[in-house]
Amino acid sequence: AQSVSQHNHHVILSEAASLELGCNYSYGGTVNLFWYVQYPGQHLQLLLKYFSGDPLVKGIKGFEAEFIKSKFSFNLRKPSVQWSDTAEYFCAVTKGGSGNTGKLIFGQGTTLQVKP
Amino acid sequence: GAVVSQHPSWVICKSGTSVKIECRSLDFQATTMFWYRQFPKQSLMLMATSNEGSKATYEQGVEKDKFLINHASLTLSTLTVTSAHPEDSSFYICSARSGRGLSPLHFGNGTRLTVT
Repeated sequence: AQSVSQHNHHVILSEAASLELGCNYSYGGTVNLFWYVQYPGQHLQLLLKYFSGDPLVKGIKGFEAEFIKSKFSFNLRKPSVQWSDTAEYFCAVTKGGSGNTGKLIFGQGTTLQVKP
Repeated sequence: GAVVSQHPSWVICKSGTSVKIECRSLDFQATTMFWYRQFPKQSLMLMATSNEGSKATYEQGVEKDKFLINHASLTLSTLTVTSAHPEDSSFYICSARSGRGLSPLHFGNGTRLTVT
């Protein structure tokens, strides 16, 4: 069965620090990959997604993620975080191609706390 | 942008009673809706997938007689937790998409259920 693992459960950074959140998945076939963000008291929002093509994906608010197929990874990065980036971040995967059912499998989430 | 409304956002019920949670797509027709459950500090676990006009498809380990899902129209899906018990206390989140495959997924704000 597919699974998604996020290595960092709770990350605390100061403003302007660089961010990298790890995400690994277990599925050998074609995948679609996503990062979602959940700000306090709000619903999940899509940060970025990878379906195919350039493995370096740029999303909203200065976030980017790199798909490394050989490592089954899709790490999220941001060069300089802001206090407003404080939120819960979820990596998610779904089967790609003809096997796509739309069902997202989520990682356990990473709480990011940015200190002003 | 597309909005998914979930109601109620917070509910407390007594053990043995049933609770209905509504998920509405406000500005698009949701051909597919997904119901997730999230325990504190844990990931979103997919409970079931519902397509308008057909029976929901439940994930392994989810009791379909306990978690009744009805997707009666293209804008409304309901989740009823029957004979609720304290262990059913959780955060329930719905999501909806207008098409299939790679169509964007929109999330509701979630419902916090507490069973006393």
